[in-house]
Amino acid sequence: AQKITQTQPGMFVQEKEAVTLDCTYDTSDPSYGLFWYKQPSSGEMIFLIYQGSYDQQNATEGRYSLNFQKARKSANLVISASQLGDSAMYFCAMREVSRGFGNEKLTFGTGTRLTIIP
Amino acid sequence: DTGVSQDPRHKITKRGQNVTFRCDPISEHNRLYWYRQTLGQGPEFLTYFQNEAQLEKSRLLSDRFSAERPKGSFSTLEIQRTEQGDSAMYLCASSLDPGMRTDTQYFGPGTRLTVL
Repeated sequence: AQKITQTQPGMFVQEKEAVTLDCTYDTSDPSYGLFWYKQPSSGEMIFLIYQGSYDQQNATEGRYSLNFQKARKSANLVISASQLGDSAMYFCAMREVSRGFGNEKLTFGTGTRLTIIP
Repeated sequence: DTGVSQDPRHKITKRGQNVTFRCDPISEHNRLYWYRQTLGQGPEFLTYFQNEAQLEKSRLLSDRFSAERPKGSFSTLEIQRTEQGDSAMYLCASSLDPGMRTDTQYFGPGTRLTVL
């Protein structure tokens, strides 16, 4: 079974500083996808960034980048120049393919609550 | 730009009552997922539709739960004889195409269920 581990329950970061949120994963599949989602207090899961297991370069989307270290099975999210609006829960997720169904369900970690301090 | 919508956003019910939630996916998306999120946890997969076909159900989905997606458009999730343990956020997500490399799931705002 696939597993996602997020070891930081909460983090406090000064506004405008960079922050790294940790994520490690465990899978025996050679082909997989890793996602980061942001969940504000309103509850909606907002897609941030995706990294495929065969991607040669680390993914970037604006202020978000993914530090993908395949050998270490880690996929850390880096947020540059943090803003007050970045305060939220952040979830790392892995796409898991159910053989025979084509179901590409996501397995989530327990999340990290990020608080940006003015 | 119309994203995934869910209705209602909040539902309070008494134990033993039936509840039904609705999810409207992004219009061209053929895949639809239901997840459940309890306090302090990440979302957990419940069930999956490809068009109108329900192709997989999690073991989390007891016999009291049923989901449908008639005509491959909106989906409903019904919980019969609710229990306090059913209290959670129910999230719906949709995605476009299984063949796409970045088959990203886009989530709705969720329905928060409280069972008294």
